Amino acid sequence: GAGVSQSPSNKVTEKGKDVELRCDPISGHTALYWYRQSLGQGLEFLIYFQGNSAPDKSGLPSDRFSAERTGGSVSTLTIQRTQQEDSAVYLCASSLPGTAKKLFFGSGTQLSVL
Amino acid sequence: SQKIEQNSEALNIQEGKTATLTCNYTNYSPAYLQWYRQDPGRGPVFLLLIRENEKEKRKERLKVTFDTTLKQSLFHITASQPADSATYLCALSSTGSYKLIFGSGTRLLVRP
Repeated sequence: GAGVSQSPSNKVTEKGKDVELRCDPISGHTALYWYRQSLGQGLEFLIYFQGNSAPDKSGLPSDRFSAERTGGSVSTLTIQRTQQEDSAVYLCASSLPGTAKKLFFGSGTQLSVL
Repeated sequence: SQKIEQNSEALNIQEGKTATLTCNYTNYSPAYLQWYRQDPGRGPVFLLLIRENEKEKRKERLKVTFDTTLKQSLFHITASQPADSATYLCALSSTGSYKLIFGSGTRLLVRP
């Protein structure tokens, strides 16, 4: 596709359930980021993938959060045993490899935990 | 601790005026700084990138300055238009790091 695609666009779940959020980056972009944005707040870094290198997981808030990137393309962010404080917009971005590269963002997944 | 600060209050200006947004940071040595625009319900969109050895960057009606002594970046929109109304986010990254850290953004409202 022409841009970064995220699905679903909205997800409502019950506390304690697991959720999976998907990100399909721009073709050829080997770098992929996940961020979280709470209402009225800035973007909180979660995890970064670059090619076949080990991901930078330093932003994951707890061990309930995990992410994988299969085949260097599509990425899935999984939140286990969701809590109400996990409610936020989860944004995925991709870029060309290297530093000083601009990020291309998807429209995000709005997660609501009831 | 490391901080990136942007005005949390909305900036409300008249169409045609210049909007100036501020991004201050502490305990960072950024190699470069980026500005993004975010509209409601959408992901941020890249606007400009400025490196630590650059003082100023321009693109059409946009201008960014970067003062590593003051630890501050200013983002200017000249001849502002109502369509410029959005939230503007600054983001920075340290030397050798791929991690881009964002400020909380400033909302700009341009009145017709």
